[in-house]
Amino acid sequence: GQQLNQSPQSMFIQEGEDVSMNCTSSSIFNTWLWYKQDPGEGPVLLIALYKAGELTSNGRLTAQFGITRKDSFLNISASIPSDVGIYFCAGQGAQKLVFGQGTRLTINP
Amino acid sequence: NAGVTQTPKFQVLKTGQSMTLQCAQDMNHEYMSWYRQDPGMGLRLIHYSVGAGITDQGEVPNGYNVSRSTTEDFPLRLLSAAPSQTSVYFCASSFSANFYQETQYFGPGTRLLVL
Repeated sequence: GQQLNQSPQSMFIQEGEDVSMNCTSSSIFNTWLWYKQDPGEGPVLLIALYKAGELTSNGRLTAQFGITRKDSFLNISASIPSDVGIYFCAGQGAQKLVFGQGTRLTINP
Repeated sequence: NAGVTQTPKFQVLKTGQSMTLQCAQDMNHEYMSWYRQDPGMGLRLIHYSVGAGITDQGEVPNGYNVSRSTTEDFPLRLLSAAPSQTSVYFCASSFSANFYQETQYFGPGTRLLVL
């Protein structure tokens, strides 16, 4: 089946640092999504990308949809303690989403 | 709106027992889905439904049954629980499967331990 490879699996950073994570696939997706999961809760949508090459920002978050439609990255600038959590990429297939394994972000104050 | 609600929050089962995980939404969403989350595996789709009376299998459907008799409810049934089904289960819903246009909302999850 379709698989998304997300990296890195975990990150330990200092507050104020910038963060970058990416997601690659062997298959083409027409929509890429990025979610964040806080401890003990369900994922929440951060950014949705529809066009190849699209660059979208949401506050301190910036995400890009790769030209080949097989990859995407998410950047977080000037990290703050509430950015802690697990970040998931997801690609849309036929009537369903395929998720990456997640990137666990830990921030040292 | 209560959003997406899941019950129970926690459950411990013995191998071979059956149970139903409940999921309900009050947003009149047509699309509903069930995922399981395991460490290092991300979220994997179990079953989904594009509307009342219509269900289909996801990536990992074995051992699970679903039905969609109403728009609001989408229960997940474990007929004979196995330790491999120990996981955190999330229900989600959206107006449609066009996830760029329609945000998918997740419930708070059910933690299941099968002994």
